[in-house]
Amino acid sequence: DQQVKQNSPSLSVQEGRISILNCDYTNSMFDYFLWYKKYPAEGPTFLISISSIKDKNEDGRFTVFLNKSAKHLSLHIVPSQPGDSAVYFCAASVGYGQNFVFGPGTRLSVLP
Amino acid sequence: EAGVAQSPRYKIIEKRQSVAFWCNPISGHATLYWYQQILGQGPKLLIQFQNNGVVDDSQLPKDRFSAERLKGVDSTLKIQPAKLEDSAVYLCASSRGTAGDWTGELFFGEGSRLTVL
Repeated sequence: DQQVKQNSPSLSVQEGRISILNCDYTNSMFDYFLWYKKYPAEGPTFLISISSIKDKNEDGRFTVFLNKSAKHLSLHIVPSQPGDSAVYFCAASVGYGQNFVFGPGTRLSVLP
Repeated sequence: EAGVAQSPRYKIIEKRQSVAFWCNPISGHATLYWYQQILGQGPKLLIQFQNNGVVDDSQLPKDRFSAERLKGVDSTLKIQPAKLEDSAVYLCASSRGTAGDWTGELFFGEGSRLTVL
């Protein structure tokens, strides 16, 4: 049973445009969410997080939106840059620091 | 600040053999995680330590996998005997706080890629 889903395995975007990566979850108890970026042969690196008491969190070019009623979150990257090309994982947990469940990832390609 | 160190980076073994992976977390990080990432999937938690105690090992296949974190610092993950389906990248991560004061970020190592033939 996949509790965290990223239904788009891949996404291509033109440089300078907006990238939108989506994530859906099934466990209504999840209250903390993270996005990670992974380059080949490297470990995932933290991008941005959001707790269930918020519906938006921004950090520079990255914004995460949370829709609790729809059990959906999205990561917006504006403007997209070629260096953003990587696999993006959404992760969720019940409570801080407890057993993060990761989605399968979306491969983003930003075309120059 | 040095990152999470893992070794070996790559390991190829025959099925039924044993293998061990080592992880040195970021200095001062109380919580340590081992994740298994099979090709095309997201990381799956195997075990979580807080200091040298186990917080969650519900998804660790205990008939073949074992892990320890002696003195609350380094950790080893062992597989014995290995099966073909254990082929994956084993990721170690650490975080600064405990559940009560957690700062919201896991720091991952580069991973150890295991191929079982």
